[in-house]
Amino acid sequence: DQQVKQNSPSLSVQEGRISILNCDYTNSMFDYFLWYKKYPAEGPTFLISISSIKDKNEDGRFTVFLNKSAKHLSLHIVPSQPGDSAVYFCAASANQFYFGTGTSLTVIP
Amino acid sequence: EAGVAQSPRYKIIEKRQSVAFWCNPISGHATLYWYQQILGQGPKLLIQFQNNGVVDDSQLPKDRFSAERLKGVDSTLKIQPAKLEDSAVYLCASSPWSLGEVYEQYFGPGTRLTVT
Repeated sequence: DQQVKQNSPSLSVQEGRISILNCDYTNSMFDYFLWYKKYPAEGPTFLISISSIKDKNEDGRFTVFLNKSAKHLSLHIVPSQPGDSAVYFCAASANQFYFGTGTSLTVIP
Repeated sequence: EAGVAQSPRYKIIEKRQSVAFWCNPISGHATLYWYQQILGQGPKLLIQFQNNGVVDDSQLPKDRFSAERLKGVDSTLKIQPAKLEDSAVYLCASSPWSLGEVYEQYFGPGTRLTVT
């Protein structure tokens, strides 16, 4: 049973525009959410996180929004850069971490 | 600061053979994780250690998989015997630990296992 879902396997965005990656979850016990970025042949690297007591967290070009009532979170990247091209995983924590299946972002120069 | 080290990076074995993976976490990180990532899926937790004790191994196929964390530092994950469906990338991650806190995980580069 997939508790964390990323329904868009891929996304293409023009350089300079906004990238929006989405993630849905089913378990209301999740209390901490993270986004990871993964380049080919490397392990995932941490990008940004948000606690369930907040609805927004910002770090430079990256903002994560959490809508607990909808069990939905999103990652906004503004402006998008070619170096942002990677696979993005969302993860949720309730004693252990559960990962989504990833969204492959391509930023077109 | 050195990252999480894993070896080997790639391994090809035949089904029914045995294989072992090694992980060296970031110095001082009390928590160590092993994940299995099958192509097209997200990482799935196999086992989590707190120092040298097991916190969660509920998704570890214990009939064929085993893991240990010697002296609370390095860890090895073993598969014996391997099946075709074990083909995946095995990721090791580590994080600090303190009571009541949630920390992001630092991942190693992974070991890509192919079982033929």
